[in-house]
Amino acid sequence: DQQVKQNSPSLSVQEGRISILNCDYTNSMFDYFLWYKKYPAEGPTFLISISSIKDKNEDGRFTVFLNKSAKHLSLHIVPSQPGDSAVYFCAASYQGGSEKLVFGKGTKLTVNP
Amino acid sequence: GAGVSQSPSNKVTEKGKDVELRCDPISGHTALYWYRQSLGQGLEFLIYFQGNSAPDKSGLPSDRFSAERTGGSVSTLTIQRTQQEDSAVYLCASRHRAGGGYTFGSGTRLTVV
Repeated sequence: DQQVKQNSPSLSVQEGRISILNCDYTNSMFDYFLWYKKYPAEGPTFLISISSIKDKNEDGRFTVFLNKSAKHLSLHIVPSQPGDSAVYFCAASYQGGSEKLVFGKGTKLTVNP
Repeated sequence: GAGVSQSPSNKVTEKGKDVELRCDPISGHTALYWYRQSLGQGLEFLIYFQGNSAPDKSGLPSDRFSAERTGGSVSTLTIQRTQQEDSAVYLCASRHRAGGGYTFGSGTRLTVV
């Protein structure tokens, strides 16, 4: 039973364009959502997060949108850069669950020069 | 140290042998997590330590897996009688009790042959 789903295993965009990575979740108890970025042979690095009391959080080129009624969140990267090429993981947690993160399977983003 | 340190970075072991994986979290981080990532999968929660509280072992896949955290710092994940399906990247993460995103180590790539 996969509680966090990233249905696109890969995404390819041109440099300068917008990258949109999507994530769906099934557990309505989740109240905190995060995006991590992972390069090969490295651990995931935290990118951006959003609490369930918000519907948008922005940090530079990265914006996360949360639609609680649809149980959907997305990460927008504008403008995309070749250095953004990595695997992006969506993760969710809830206060009563030892705050452990439940991860999706990831989306591999390739930004072409 | 400045980051989460894991050792070894790579481990090849024969089926049936025991292995120990080590994690040295960021100094002062009271929460420590173990995850694993099998090929083509997302990060799977294994175990969580928070201060002196009893660990959350709900993610351990079998009784061949165990972990301890000595002195509230270094943690060791032990896999007994390894099987081929144990092959994965084992990731450790720590976080400050006050919240914020996890900081992951680079992982240990375990290959059982």
